[in-house]
Amino acid sequence: AQTVTQSQPEMSVQEAETVTLSCTYDTSESNYYLFWYKQPPSRQMILVIRQEAYKQQNATENRFSVNFQKAAKSFSLKISDSQLGDTAMYFCAETGTQGAQKLVFGQGTRLTINP
Amino acid sequence: GAVVSQHPSWVICKSGTSVKIECRSLDFQATTMFWYRQFPKQSLMLMATSNEGSKATYEQGVEKDKFLINHASLTLSTLTVTSAHPEDSSFYICSARDFRLAGRYEQYFGPGTRLTVT
Repeated sequence: AQTVTQSQPEMSVQEAETVTLSCTYDTSESNYYLFWYKQPPSRQMILVIRQEAYKQQNATENRFSVNFQKAAKSFSLKISDSQLGDTAMYFCAETGTQGAQKLVFGQGTRLTINP
Repeated sequence: GAVVSQHPSWVICKSGTSVKIECRSLDFQATTMFWYRQFPKQSLMLMATSNEGSKATYEQGVEKDKFLINHASLTLSTLTVTSAHPEDSSFYICSARDFRLAGRYEQYFGPGTRLTVT
């Protein structure tokens, strides 16, 4: 069974600061993918970043980067130089590459960037 | 690229009536579409997975006769909530992906549909 856990229900930082959102997961699959999705107040889900489990190099997309610790089953998201537009719910998600390939989501972290 | 639309974005219906929600992939072919339900301040709950041309697979606890899903083409899936009741009021989100794209496991999401049953 797959599970994804986000232990921080809410976080708040000042604009331009760096913030790290935590995520742990558990899966029985040997190959899988991890994602961070953003859901702003509009409620449109937006893909922020993806990580392939077999790649050791941490994924980076502009101000967003991940710290992928495979042995610890940890997948944290770092947002550098945070902006007001980063205010949103952030969901960590995992999918295996076999079978139904469903996305399993964490509970979400509500991030607020303060001016 | 990878744009998914949903229609309508917001619908109000009376208890006992049925309502249909459309999900379209606009610039790619979606071999598989997923339907989620999201309650306020909660995560997404997968309701069903639909593959083009075949019957949908429903998650445990989701009534297949109440939530009818059709995926007749590679760009369109529909969710029909039959005999809706106030407890069906929620935010429904679809997502899509093209399973034929090697190494691309992310899903692309529609903007969601807010259903209110009075």
